[in-house]
Amino acid sequence: AQSVTQPDIHITVSEGASLELRCNYSYGATPYLFWYVQSPGQGLQLLLKYFSGDTLVQGIKGFEAEFKRSQSSFNLRKPSVHWSDAAEYFCAVGNNDMRFGAGTRLTVKP
Amino acid sequence: NAGVTQTPKFRVLKTGQSMTLLCAQDMNHEYMYWYRQDPGMGLRLIHYSVGEGTTAKGEVPDGYNVSRLKKQNFLLGLESAAPSQTSVYFCASSLLSSGSSYNEQFFGPGTRLTVL
Repeated sequence: AQSVTQPDIHITVSEGASLELRCNYSYGATPYLFWYVQSPGQGLQLLLKYFSGDTLVQGIKGFEAEFKRSQSSFNLRKPSVHWSDAAEYFCAVGNNDMRFGAGTRLTVKP
Repeated sequence: NAGVTQTPKFRVLKTGQSMTLLCAQDMNHEYMYWYRQDPGMGLRLIHYSVGEGTTAKGEVPDGYNVSRLKKQNFLLGLESAAPSQTSVYFCASSLLSSGSSYNEQFFGPGTRLTVL
């Protein structure tokens, strides 16, 4: 069965520091992988996705993620965090029957 | 172009009452989804639809029914609400991509449901 694990429930980083959010997945075939962001009281917005090709994918708002099949990982990165990046981040795997991770809440310190 | 809209935004029910949540999309998307979001559990798929007149079960379908009578609308029904159904419900839609099967989902703003 497909599943997603986000090991970090909550991460705090200083503004301007780099960020890496971890995501590990379990999926029987070639996975479709996604990162979504949710601001308080809002729906989810797609940051980036991977379904084939280059394993380093670029997304919106300066985010990128790297697919590593050998590690079953799809970690999200950003070189310099802005205060507006504070939100909850969800990794997801699948297609129509999508599975989401439990989310990582990001706090940005001034 | 409103995207995905959900009605109502908030609702409080008593145990045993019934209600219907409405999701509408104006993007001519084939696929529509209903999720629930609970603290510490992310989003879990309740039911989804791959086209008008079709529905399928997701990860947590028990206690819910759905209907897709029109392409643009996807209804989620609770026949007899229980406190365990207190949650935030999100609807999403996506355009069928027959080539790559890629399936970006666009989400509505959510409905906060409390069952007392």
